[in-house]
Amino acid sequence: DSGVTQTPKHLITATGQRVTLRCSPRSGDLSVYWYQQSLDQGLQFLIQYYNGEERAKGNILERFSAQQFPDLHSELNLSSLELGDSALYFCASSVGVGNTGELFFGEGSRLTVL
Amino acid sequence: QKEVEQDPGPLSVPEGAIVSLNCTYSNSAFQYFMWYRQYSRKGPELLMYTYSSGNKEDGRFTAQVDKSSKYISLFIRDSQPSDSATYLCAMRLTNFGNEKLTFGTGTRLTIIP
Repeated sequence: DSGVTQTPKHLITATGQRVTLRCSPRSGDLSVYWYQQSLDQGLQFLIQYYNGEERAKGNILERFSAQQFPDLHSELNLSSLELGDSALYFCASSVGVGNTGELFFGEGSRLTVL
Repeated sequence: QKEVEQDPGPLSVPEGAIVSLNCTYSNSAFQYFMWYRQYSRKGPELLMYTYSSGNKEDGRFTAQVDKSSKYISLFIRDSQPSDSATYLCAMRLTNFGNEKLTFGTGTRLTIIP
């Protein structure tokens, strides 16, 4: 158990809808990262937050947004969903910025868009 | 061209064999090199971490980095069925306080009893 909690584990929705994925980092970790994993693209970095502030942005679509709350949990919002958004979405956390690269991953949220 | 290239496999080997997993990269600014292991329906977990060129050993696992060739490897000795998983290489650079961690696509490994 990594200590990172993600909900929901599975989500099935329709095109055009909006969903919210939730992540609770490990106790004491200030950084939260969101990744998208699909079969053909591998693990793609979306966005990082550190102590409530956006720290780095990757290949995140404009239809997607995220935030980190004062209690350090994070939410990833996906809107106007398309079939291609079906993927595993992982949250990871680390102690801080400039760490050794060890990220602790949750078990992921599997999103299926029909 | 992707910054990090990794053969997706799948790779199947008999129990007890030596496994070699590899990644190549194009960005010479990468400073830290990692291997993550991902079991089915789980998130990736850090397996090995190296900074410099050379070898690093941890039990049955050896990570090798050749910065001159931009090539990293993970060797698994005496492979066990419990080693069956997807192995992802990852590389990190830090530039003026900004970090970038890039993953390979992962190699799916099956150890056959």
